[in-house]
Amino acid sequence: EVQLVESGGGLVKPGGSLRLSCAASGFTFSHAWMSWVRQAPGEGLEWVGRIKSKSSGETKEYSAPVKDRFTISRDDSKNTLYLQMNSLKTEDTAVYYCTWENPRPGEFDYWGQGILVTVSS
Amino acid sequence: DIQMTQSPSFVSASVGDRVTITCRASQGISNWLTWYQQKPGKAPKLLISAASNLRSGVPSRFSGSGSGTDFTLTISCLQPEDFATYYCLQANGLPLSFGGGTKVEI
Repeated sequence: EVQLVESGGGLVKPGGSLRLSCAASGFTFSHAWMSWVRQAPGEGLEWVGRIKSKSSGETKEYSAPVKDRFTISRDDSKNTLYLQMNSLKTEDTAVYYCTWENPRPGEFDYWGQGILVTVSS
Repeated sequence: DIQMTQSPSFVSASVGDRVTITCRASQGISNWLTWYQQKPGKAPKLLISAASNLRSGVPSRFSGSGSGTDFTLTISCLQPEDFATYYCLQANGLPLSFGGGTKVEI
Protein backbone atom coordinates (compact mmCIF):
# COMPACT_ATOMS: atom_id res chain seq x y z
CA GLU A 1 0.00 0.00 0.00
CA VAL A 2 1.35 3.40 -0.98
CA GLN A 3 1.71 5.82 1.92
CA LEU A 4 2.95 9.38 2.07
CA VAL A 5 3.19 10.92 5.53
CA GLU A 6 4.14 14.56 6.00
CA SER A 7 5.62 15.98 9.17
CA GLY A 8 7.34 19.13 10.43
CA GLY A 9 4.57 21.68 10.08
CA GLY A 10 3.57 24.26 12.65
CA LEU A 11 3.62 27.92 13.54
CA VAL A 12 6.53 30.10 12.46
CA LYS A 13 7.12 33.84 12.43
CA PRO A 14 7.51 35.80 9.21
CA GLY A 15 11.09 35.58 8.01
CA GLY A 16 11.58 32.24 9.72
CA SER A 17 12.37 28.80 8.39
CA LEU A 18 10.77 25.39 8.53
CA ARG A 19 11.55 21.99 7.01
CA LEU A 20 8.81 19.61 6.01
CA SER A 21 9.43 15.90 5.56
CA CYS A 22 7.43 13.33 3.65
CA ALA A 23 8.05 9.66 4.45
CA ALA A 24 7.18 7.41 1.53
CA SER A 25 6.45 3.70 1.48
CA GLY A 26 4.82 1.09 -0.73
CA PHE A 27 6.56 2.02 -3.97
CA THR A 28 10.07 2.45 -5.37
CA PHE A 29 10.73 5.94 -4.09
CA SER A 30 14.09 6.29 -5.83
CA HIS A 31 12.36 6.05 -9.22
CA ALA A 32 9.62 8.53 -8.38
CA TRP A 33 9.11 12.14 -9.40
CA MET A 34 7.77 13.91 -6.34
CA SER A 35 5.98 17.23 -6.00
CA TRP A 36 4.75 19.53 -3.26
CA VAL A 37 1.31 21.13 -3.65
CA ARG A 38 -0.15 23.63 -1.20
CA GLN A 39 -3.55 25.03 -0.39
CA ALA A 40 -4.07 28.26 1.51
CA PRO A 41 -7.08 28.32 3.85
CA GLY A 42 -10.28 28.50 1.80
CA GLU A 43 -8.34 28.74 -1.45
CA GLY A 44 -7.49 26.50 -4.39
CA LEU A 45 -4.57 24.23 -5.10
CA GLU A 46 -1.14 25.59 -5.99
CA TRP A 47 1.81 23.59 -7.28
CA VAL A 48 4.94 24.46 -5.30
CA GLY A 49 7.63 22.45 -7.01
CA ARG A 50 9.00 19.09 -8.03
CA ILE A 51 12.11 16.94 -7.82
CA LYS A 52 12.73 14.32 -10.44
CA SER A 53 14.34 10.95 -9.81
CA LYS A 54 18.10 10.54 -9.82
CA SER A 55 17.86 8.69 -13.14
CA SER A 56 16.12 11.78 -14.54
CA GLY A 57 18.89 14.02 -13.29
CA GLU A 58 17.26 14.90 -9.94
CA THR A 59 16.14 18.14 -11.56
CA LYS A 60 14.30 20.57 -9.30
CA GLU A 61 11.61 22.93 -10.53
CA TYR A 62 9.73 25.59 -8.58
CA SER A 63 6.82 27.97 -8.90
CA ALA A 64 7.64 31.67 -9.03
CA PRO A 65 6.31 32.58 -5.54
CA VAL A 66 8.69 30.15 -3.81
CA LYS A 67 11.68 30.10 -6.11
CA ASP A 68 14.87 31.15 -4.30
CA ARG A 69 13.20 30.68 -0.89
CA PHE A 70 12.16 27.02 -0.92
CA THR A 71 14.35 24.01 -1.67
CA ILE A 72 13.13 20.51 -2.44
CA SER A 73 15.44 17.59 -1.76
CA ARG A 74 15.25 13.86 -1.32
CA ASP A 75 17.06 11.09 0.51
CA ASP A 76 16.46 7.90 -1.41
CA SER A 77 18.19 5.83 1.29
CA LYS A 78 15.50 6.98 3.73
CA ASN A 79 12.60 7.11 1.24
CA THR A 80 12.03 10.69 2.33
CA LEU A 81 11.19 13.91 0.53
CA TYR A 82 11.95 17.31 2.04
CA LEU A 83 10.80 20.89 1.61
CA GLN A 84 13.10 23.47 3.17
CA MET A 85 11.23 26.74 3.49
CA ASN A 86 13.19 29.92 4.24
CA SER A 87 12.24 33.59 4.46
CA LEU A 88 8.65 32.57 5.11
CA LYS A 89 5.87 35.04 4.43
CA THR A 90 2.32 35.20 5.76
CA GLU A 91 1.10 34.22 2.29
CA ASP A 92 2.93 30.88 2.62
CA THR A 93 0.34 29.85 5.21
CA ALA A 94 -1.23 26.71 3.78
CA VAL A 95 -1.71 23.00 4.02
CA TYR A 96 1.22 21.38 2.23
CA TYR A 97 0.81 18.05 0.47
CA CYS A 98 3.52 15.81 -0.90
CA THR A 99 2.51 13.89 -4.00
CA TRP A 100 3.83 11.18 -6.29
CA GLU A 101 3.59 11.93 -10.01
CA ASN A 102 2.69 8.60 -11.53
CA PRO A 103 3.00 7.60 -14.27
CA ARG A 104 3.07 10.87 -16.23
CA PRO A 105 3.92 14.41 -15.16
CA GLY A 106 0.96 16.10 -13.50
CA GLU A 107 -0.72 12.81 -12.66
CA PHE A 108 -0.69 13.05 -8.87
CA ASP A 109 -1.89 9.57 -8.13
CA TYR A 110 -1.03 9.54 -4.44
CA TRP A 111 -1.11 12.29 -1.86
CA GLY A 112 -0.10 12.66 1.75
CA GLN A 113 -2.65 13.70 4.33
CA GLY A 114 -1.34 17.26 4.27
CA ILE A 115 0.37 19.31 6.95
CA LEU A 116 -0.47 22.82 8.07
CA VAL A 117 2.13 25.57 8.02
CA THR A 118 1.08 28.83 9.65
CA VAL A 119 3.23 31.92 9.21
CA SER A 120 2.18 34.57 11.68
CA SER A 121 3.69 36.97 14.18
CA ASP B 1 3.28 30.63 -17.85
CA ILE B 2 0.12 28.75 -18.81
CA GLN B 3 -3.06 30.04 -17.17
CA MET B 4 -5.96 27.68 -16.57
CA THR B 5 -9.39 29.31 -16.50
CA GLN B 6 -12.00 27.05 -14.95
CA SER B 7 -15.73 27.70 -15.10
CA PRO B 8 -18.10 27.95 -13.47
CA SER B 9 -16.70 28.61 -9.98
CA PHE B 10 -19.88 27.25 -8.38
CA VAL B 11 -22.53 24.86 -9.55
CA SER B 12 -25.78 24.40 -7.70
CA ALA B 13 -27.14 20.99 -8.64
CA SER B 14 -29.34 18.13 -7.51
CA VAL B 15 -28.84 14.39 -7.34
CA GLY B 16 -29.35 12.97 -10.82
CA ASP B 17 -28.32 16.14 -12.63
CA ARG B 18 -25.77 16.27 -15.42
CA VAL B 19 -22.93 18.64 -14.56
CA THR B 20 -20.33 20.03 -16.95
CA ILE B 21 -17.17 21.85 -15.88
CA THR B 22 -14.85 23.57 -18.33
CA CYS B 23 -11.16 24.41 -18.27
CA ARG B 24 -9.52 26.62 -20.83
CA ALA B 25 -5.75 26.88 -21.20
CA SER B 26 -4.09 30.13 -22.23
CA GLN B 27 -2.11 28.18 -24.82
CA GLY B 28 -2.27 24.72 -26.31
CA ILE B 29 -1.41 21.91 -23.91
CA SER B 30 -2.19 18.89 -26.10
CA ASN B 31 -3.76 16.39 -23.68
CA TRP B 32 -1.61 17.19 -20.64
CA LEU B 33 -4.67 17.76 -18.51
CA THR B 34 -5.80 16.01 -15.36
CA TRP B 35 -8.93 16.39 -13.23
CA TYR B 36 -9.08 16.13 -9.44
CA GLN B 37 -11.87 15.91 -6.90
CA GLN B 38 -11.41 17.30 -3.41
CA LYS B 39 -13.72 16.94 -0.44
CA PRO B 40 -13.43 19.20 2.62
CA GLY B 41 -10.47 18.39 4.82
CA LYS B 42 -9.18 15.72 2.44
CA ALA B 43 -6.39 15.46 -0.11
CA PRO B 44 -7.43 15.69 -3.76
CA LYS B 45 -8.19 12.52 -5.68
CA LEU B 46 -7.12 11.95 -9.28
CA LEU B 47 -10.16 11.25 -11.48
CA ILE B 48 -9.05 11.63 -15.09
CA SER B 49 -5.64 11.76 -16.73
CA ALA B 50 -4.54 12.66 -20.27
CA ALA B 51 -7.77 14.67 -20.62
CA SER B 52 -10.03 11.67 -21.05
CA ASN B 53 -8.61 8.56 -19.36
CA LEU B 54 -10.70 7.49 -16.40
CA ARG B 55 -8.53 6.28 -13.56
CA SER B 56 -9.09 2.84 -12.13
CA GLY B 57 -11.87 2.77 -9.57
CA VAL B 58 -13.46 6.05 -10.68
CA PRO B 59 -17.17 5.65 -11.52
CA SER B 60 -18.06 5.69 -15.20
CA ARG B 61 -20.45 8.63 -14.68
CA PHE B 62 -17.30 10.78 -14.79
CA SER B 63 -15.87 11.56 -18.21
CA GLY B 64 -13.38 13.99 -19.68
CA SER B 65 -12.85 15.37 -23.13
CA GLY B 66 -10.88 17.95 -25.03
CA SER B 67 -7.47 18.68 -26.44
CA GLY B 68 -5.44 21.76 -27.12
CA THR B 69 -6.97 24.57 -25.11
CA ASP B 70 -10.52 23.51 -24.21
CA PHE B 71 -11.40 20.69 -21.84
CA THR B 72 -14.52 19.41 -20.16
CA LEU B 73 -15.30 17.27 -17.14
CA THR B 74 -18.79 15.81 -17.17
CA ILE B 75 -20.63 14.06 -14.38
CA SER B 76 -23.52 12.34 -16.11
CA CYS B 77 -25.77 11.59 -13.14
CA LEU B 78 -24.76 13.39 -9.97
CA GLN B 79 -24.61 11.26 -6.85
CA PRO B 80 -24.58 12.49 -3.23
CA GLU B 81 -20.90 11.59 -2.89
CA ASP B 82 -20.01 13.81 -5.89
CA PHE B 83 -20.64 17.05 -4.03
CA ALA B 84 -17.09 18.36 -3.85
CA THR B 85 -14.68 20.80 -5.47
CA TYR B 86 -13.13 19.89 -8.80
CA TYR B 87 -9.82 21.14 -10.20
CA CYS B 88 -8.09 20.82 -13.52
CA LEU B 89 -4.29 20.80 -13.81
CA GLN B 90 -2.08 21.31 -16.83
CA ALA B 91 1.32 19.63 -17.03
CA ASN B 92 2.36 20.68 -20.52
CA GLY B 93 4.59 23.49 -19.32
CA LEU B 94 6.29 24.78 -16.20
CA PRO B 95 5.12 25.84 -13.77
CA LEU B 96 2.35 23.27 -13.49
CA SER B 97 -0.89 25.17 -12.96
CA PHE B 98 -4.31 24.38 -11.53
CA GLY B 99 -7.61 25.89 -12.48
CA GLY B 100 -9.34 27.93 -9.82
CA GLY B 101 -11.73 25.14 -8.89
CA THR B 102 -15.44 24.43 -9.26
CA LYS B 103 -17.51 23.76 -6.17
CA VAL B 104 -20.45 21.49 -6.85
CA GLU B 105 -23.06 22.02 -4.18
CA ILE B 106 -26.70 21.39 -3.55
